[in-house]
Amino acid sequence: AIQLTQSPSSLSASVGDSVTITCRASQGISGALAWYQKKPGKAPNLLIYDASSLQSGVPSRFSGTGSGTDFTLTIRSLQPEDFATYYCQQFNSFPHSFGQGTNLEIK
Amino acid sequence: EVQLLESGGGLVQPGGSLRLSCAASGFTFPSYGMSWVRQAPGKGLEWVSGSSASGAATHYADSVKGRFTISRDNSKNTMYLQMNSLTAEDTALYYCAKRLWSQHYSGHDYWGQGTLVTVSS
Repeated sequence: AIQLTQSPSSLSASVGDSVTITCRASQGISGALAWYQKKPGKAPNLLIYDASSLQSGVPSRFSGTGSGTDFTLTIRSLQPEDFATYYCQQFNSFPHSFGQGTNLEIK
Repeated sequence: EVQLLESGGGLVQPGGSLRLSCAASGFTFPSYGMSWVRQAPGKGLEWVSGSSASGAATHYADSVKGRFTISRDNSKNTMYLQMNSLTAEDTALYYCAKRLWSQHYSGHDYWGQGTLVTVSS
């Protein structure tokens, strides 16, 4: 099974900052990666699919890059509503595993 | 409007069984693969199982293989998760999720609000 390792596990930032979260796959997954935002009590929200495609309705301050084993999610100009937990998920092969999550907190 | 409504969760004793349901509306259910994803208290997201649009192809996480069975009734726009031999490690909020594209694995664009399964004596 493919393992996804996110870094950092937690991150503190201020409104207006830019942050980058990394997701590393244990083997190559081409571009088959999605990013989600998860808030307590809410269902996950798809942000990025196919590593770099912005899901409809998601603000353009979110962007994704990467291919193979290394992927990044960047959030520019953080807004108060962006403080949440972020997960990557791979779709290259079953099981469609998630990373362990990155908790983005307000500094 | 796409809606996914899970039901069937509850308190069950270790070794017991439950069947979760996910009722879908607002999209052509028979055209889309679907998944179950869970989140244990204080833990991250865990992909549990997935079904192709027809239900002919199913896949499972190693942690549930042989104990859980995913199925769907496209005439009722409903997906199921039969869970047997439950243990405390299965305690979680279970979400059903719709795949973004009908023919390609890319992500899950719609999720239900989840149904809580608690395994305890």
